[in-house]
Amino acid sequence: DGGITQSPKYLFRKEGQNVTLSCEQNLNHDAMYWYRQDPGQGLRLIYYSQIVNDFQKGDIAEGYSVSREKKESFPLTVTSAQKNPTAFYLCASRPTGGAASGANVLTFGAGSRLTVL
Amino acid sequence: KNEVEQSPQNLTAQEGEFITINCSYSVGISALHWLQQHPGGGIVSLFMLSSGKKKHGRLIATINIQEKHSSLHITASHPRDSAVYICAVSRTGNQFYFGTGTSLTVIP
Repeated sequence: DGGITQSPKYLFRKEGQNVTLSCEQNLNHDAMYWYRQDPGQGLRLIYYSQIVNDFQKGDIAEGYSVSREKKESFPLTVTSAQKNPTAFYLCASRPTGGAASGANVLTFGAGSRLTVL
Repeated sequence: KNEVEQSPQNLTAQEGEFITINCSYSVGISALHWLQQHPGGGIVSLFMLSSGKKKHGRLIATINIQEKHSSLHITASHPRDSAVYICAVSRTGNQFYFGTGTSLTVIP
């Protein structure tokens, strides 16, 4: 079955450590996204990528980095520069064709919950 | 001000009740989306609509483009409907805006 796999589901980090969250999709989608979800807030965009080897900052990119070396993979690194990294992180993807291809519909992974100790 | 506002924030219903969740938005959109997030955290898309009304099982979504308003209705609610329902809008390009969600609890 096609879908998005995020790992790990739960992650604990000590202050000052970098951690990398994995996101893999087998949907052949061009665009991939990382969102952060905090209680009482809507999803906020961290980074997005429309094609391999290209990505753009979202609204809250500071303290995060990404790479897009393969179409299927869009890992997110939470660096020590992110002052409040405890949150739920969601990866999503969508095709970039016309409306008939479902280009407006995001498919989400199951999420990764990061806790800083 | 958020581009997408939902109400209510929290909703508790008895099993079998008719439920309505409302969403208002303030930007031009290409489509409006209703999403469901279960306690485990994963999000699934329920509806995407740009006009009129869509129905899937006990779920109905409507949108009024002129009023920039959408509603999600659940008929004959069931405890398995308990989840967070999120309204989102998509615009041209990569822009998606999300509401803060409505947490629904259906009591047996």
